[in-house]
Amino acid sequence: QSVLTQPPSASGTPGQRVTISCSGTSSNIGSNPVNWYQQLPGTAPKLLIYNNNQRPSGVPDRFSGSKSGTSASLAISGLQSEDEADYYCAAWDDSLSGPVFGGGTKLTVL
Amino acid sequence: EVQLVQSGAEVKKPGESLKISCQGSGYGFYGYWIAWVRQMPGKGLEWMGIIYPDDSNTRYSPSFQGQVTISADKSINTAYLQWSSLKASDTAIYYCARFCGRTFGELCFDFWGQGTLVTVSS
Repeated sequence: QSVLTQPPSASGTPGQRVTISCSGTSSNIGSNPVNWYQQLPGTAPKLLIYNNNQRPSGVPDRFSGSKSGTSASLAISGLQSEDEADYYCAAWDDSLSGPVFGGGTKLTVL
Repeated sequence: EVQLVQSGAEVKKPGESLKISCQGSGYGFYGYWIAWVRQMPGKGLEWMGIIYPDDSNTRYSPSFQGQVTISADKSINTAYLQWSSLKASDTAIYYCARFCGRTFGELCFDFWGQGTLVTVSS
């Protein structure tokens, strides 16, 4: 059981916009910024969004993040086949004194 | 270019010991925290612990405290994860990752190793 809650799956067709939610508590998302990671099949996770809505250099602006209260969302616009991957949210948890991850959302591009 | 290169896949028997490594290059290794993250087969990411190579200050997730040991040798830019007695349930991919936040609350892992698959089976 992951500390942060994500839907196990999401899907969309090429060109569509999809969003993935991440729900936490006051000790993690409610008080600390959220990251999002993309894990393509058979590869290591890659930082997609940090500090709620910042993109590292090289990440397309099709990816965007937002946070409100104890929830966060990742939006992917102009969906492409290469976006098919697992997506994880993460945040520092003050009560656990460490990072916590969501269970991951498997995105399928139909 | 920042890189974290991990040691190769391991196949071990229950009860055996193991130490895997993560060597950094392309940046001041000693000045960034390095975390270890577990991914069990078909499952999500779990934080195990984190070390600051400059002084080996280490913090463990409560779930992994006492189960593993994290260490580092800053002279060779390498962090380690070790087990004294492996169990079948330790079968997983283990990733090292560089912590890029200015404070712990600003969680951020910007570079990841390629992962080390550890298989524990009799």
